[in-house]
Parts: sequence; C-alpha cells; structure tokens
Amino acid sequence: LAKTTQPISMDSYEGQEVNITCSHNNIATNDYITWYQQFPSQGPRFIIQGYKTKVTNEVASLFIPADRKSSTLSLPRVSLSDTAVYYCLVGPYSGAGSYQLTFGKGTKLSVIP
Amino acid sequence: EAQVTQNPRYLITVTGKKLTVTCSQNMNHEYMSWYRQDPGLGLRQIYYSMNVEVTDKGDVPEGYKVSRKEKRNFPLILESPSPNQTSLYFCASSSRGDPTADTQYFGPGTRLTVL
Repeated sequence: LAKTTQPISMDSYEGQEVNITCSHNNIATNDYITWYQQFPSQGPRFIIQGYKTKVTNEVASLFIPADRKSSTLSLPRVSLSDTAVYYCLVGPYSGAGSYQLTFGKGTKLSVIP
Repeated sequence: EAQVTQNPRYLITVTGKKLTVTCSQNMNHEYMSWYRQDPGLGLRQIYYSMNVEVTDKGDVPEGYKVSRKEKRNFPLILESPSPNQTSLYFCASSSRGDPTADTQYFGPGTRLTVL
C-alpha cells in the first residue's frame, strides 16, 4: 500500500496561505491523490484531486511534482473556518490491484485570529 | 437531497451482543465503504464494496462483517462486539467503481461504545 506521511499539526494566522505537504513514496503509476477536510464530529469532505502537475478549484490548489512522490495542498488566505483536519489519500492501485483505500493520519490545521 | 445516512448515530452496547449499523445512499453509487476513526490513528478502512454482491477487506476487517444485497445499502455487522471496537464509524460512497477518480461522500458517523 502507498503509505502517506503528513505533518501532525500546523498553525497559521488568518489571511495567510497554508501549504500542507504529503509524502507518498510508493505511489503507483495510475494512482490519484485526493485531499479531504474533516471538522470535529463530521464525516470528511472532498477538497481536491489530482494526478500530476497543478490542479486548482474554488477552495484550494494541489501541486504535484513530476516524480509524484509528494503533493502539496495549498489553501489561500485561510480563515477561522478552515480549522480542521486535512487528509491526503492515495489510491486505488497501490492496494495490489484492489480498490482498498488508505488514509494518512491527517494534519490538524489550527487557524489563529 | 443527495446524502449518505447512517443509523444509529450513537450506540452503547455490551460485549458480545450482536449489532448492525446501517448505511444507505440515494445517489445510485457503485462503491461503498466503511471506516473507523480512532484518536491518533486517522481513518482506517474496514470493508468496501465495488458493487452489489462484491465486497472486500480493507485495512482492519477483523471482527466485522458486511453485505451488499442492494446497491443503496451497505450494513456493517459486529457479530460479537468487543471494547476495542469502540470507535467512530463512517460510511462512504462514490459513483462509478473508482473511488479515487471521483468524490467520496461520507455519512455523518456512528459513535459506538462497547462496554
């Protein structure tokens, strides 16, 4: 399985750009990289997904280098409501041909006023 | 409204008493999955299903059973619950058969306590 490694926690002030990096050295050729956001006592919510280079949507950007062994979630100008846990997910092919998905332990982002 | 529902939301039970947590989605999704979430361990996949009558183990399947008799439902069964299964459980679904080429929609969670 493609194990993912993320920082356990990060702090940021309101209005700053936040970058959260996920390492996935064993990513398979056809794997996608997906990021989810989770608030306390709620289910995770999809943020962004990519395969290579850069992907941008209305809430975030995802940067993936050519070797795809890492990815960086970028949140522009964070607010207090962005305080949450962010998960990097790689799959599905890293599960030896199955669609088994392995989430990392997540990064707890705290936004400070 | 498109959603994934779970029942019950909260459950306190005793060791060995069989229980079922239901999961239902109204989006006609093919892929469904169960996760448990424990402090410091993140989300771990228990079982998943690619379609009706097709299920497979995730990272932590021991002590759990699932079935997929209908496309919309994916119940999680604990035949003989133990205290180490005390956790927050999430059901999720996604369209087509490839959960990482599409968004996974998560249910609101079921908080289970086994005494």
